[in-house]
Amino acid sequence: NAGVIQTPRHKVTGKGQEATLWCEPISGHSAVFWYRQTIVQGLEFLTYFRNQAPIDDSGMPKERFSAQMPNQSHSTLKIQSTQPQDSAVYLCASSSPGGADAEQFFGPGTRLTVL
Amino acid sequence: QQNVQQSPESLIVPEGARTSLNCTFSDSASQYFWWYRQHSGKAPKALMSIFSNGEKEEGRFTIHLNKASLHFSLHIRDSQPSDSALYLCAVTGGYKVVFGSGTRLLVSP
Repeated sequence: NAGVIQTPRHKVTGKGQEATLWCEPISGHSAVFWYRQTIVQGLEFLTYFRNQAPIDDSGMPKERFSAQMPNQSHSTLKIQSTQPQDSAVYLCASSSPGGADAEQFFGPGTRLTVL
Repeated sequence: QQNVQQSPESLIVPEGARTSLNCTFSDSASQYFWWYRQHSGKAPKALMSIFSNGEKEEGRFTIHLNKASLHFSLHIRDSQPSDSALYLCAVTGGYKVVFGSGTRLLVSP
């Protein structure tokens, strides 16, 4: 079991460019979460999928962020027109089946730097 | 809206010391209470969890929960330099997990 896989590990974009981050959850896990981590804000919830369906995107900045899960083996987080304040480590986690007692397994994260 | 707060923000202890980390939460309907550990540059990894009042011990780590006080804590016995990391408490209700901002622990040899 390779664990949760995230690519790329590092991404540098210019202000206004688009960034797409990829996550491959652990096989068999039905719940996928995206978080953003910064020194100042800590670990912030962005969005949650269960069995590929979007359940909760209450943490997503509405206008430029979007997430999809086209199949059970990967999810993407897309940020349009990136801004310097989007610089953070973006973490993907998966769990099975996604209840309160389910441990979340995190990927290594993608460090996004917006110049 | 769940509010999870951790204290202290950072902590330096000598090797072999007992370390205590604290977490408070605001929603009394919270179900599970977790501690995650994140070494520098690595992914957070679950240490242990508890769902009922009392304490639970796993090796050098003990978690205490007092739901009435909206408080839980992590105690590390015989702290080791390898315990140096960011410790995140987390509270779950249903699928939603709310993390605290973390306590950065440094164990000096």
